[in-house]
Amino acid sequence: QKEVEQDPGPLSVPEGAIVSLNCTYSNSAFQYFMWYRQYSRKGPELLMYTYSSGNKEDGRFTAQVDKSSKYISLFIRDSQPSDSATYLCAMIPYGNNRLAFGKGNQVVVIP
Amino acid sequence: ETGVTQSPTHLIKTRGQQVTLRCSSQSGHNTVSWYQQALGQGPQFIFQYYREEENGRGNFPPRFSGLQFPNYSSELNVNALELDDSALYLCASSLSGSGANVLTFGAGSRLTVL
Repeated sequence: QKEVEQDPGPLSVPEGAIVSLNCTYSNSAFQYFMWYRQYSRKGPELLMYTYSSGNKEDGRFTAQVDKSSKYISLFIRDSQPSDSATYLCAMIPYGNNRLAFGKGNQVVVIP
Repeated sequence: ETGVTQSPTHLIKTRGQQVTLRCSSQSGHNTVSWYQQALGQGPQFIFQYYREEENGRGNFPPRFSGLQFPNYSSELNVNALELDDSALYLCASSLSGSGANVLTFGAGSRLTVL
């Protein structure tokens, strides 16, 4: 079993729809949870960063962490064509220095 | 504030050759990490450098090696290239002690091994 599981299936949604992405993990030591966005031919850029269980909002983006279920989610409201990218979940144990990434979800927002 | 820059952006090598990839970290950052991202996969941690010393290594063989220089720039060297080494190599910099590793990634060096 991989440490971080992210169903890599591509996702196509119409503009304005809500995009829902999720990851599960097996390592209870993970303490910090992140979502990165990666545009084609670019490096990943940090989108959201959370520490504890619960919700965190930043504009149209909401990150959710449920440590009891080892499950994290990212929601994108009012999706825009500019949101078309690959979204990677990532996590790291406290005191560690290496991010564990999911495989990524390719999201396409159709105008 | 400059971001993370990597060179070269693309390169093609043949099996058995050696390659050196370079990275300039973001201004103010003192830690550099390298990740390998195969096509359709998430990045995999190779190693991290802090104060010019290797500070953690992922599941990569010794033919993957690195350096960090006093100005915090870094190199990734791969010897005896194999076909499976074809990937996007990402450099990320961070500031040690600033909290959970919030990494700033470069655009990557895309290596093709024929």
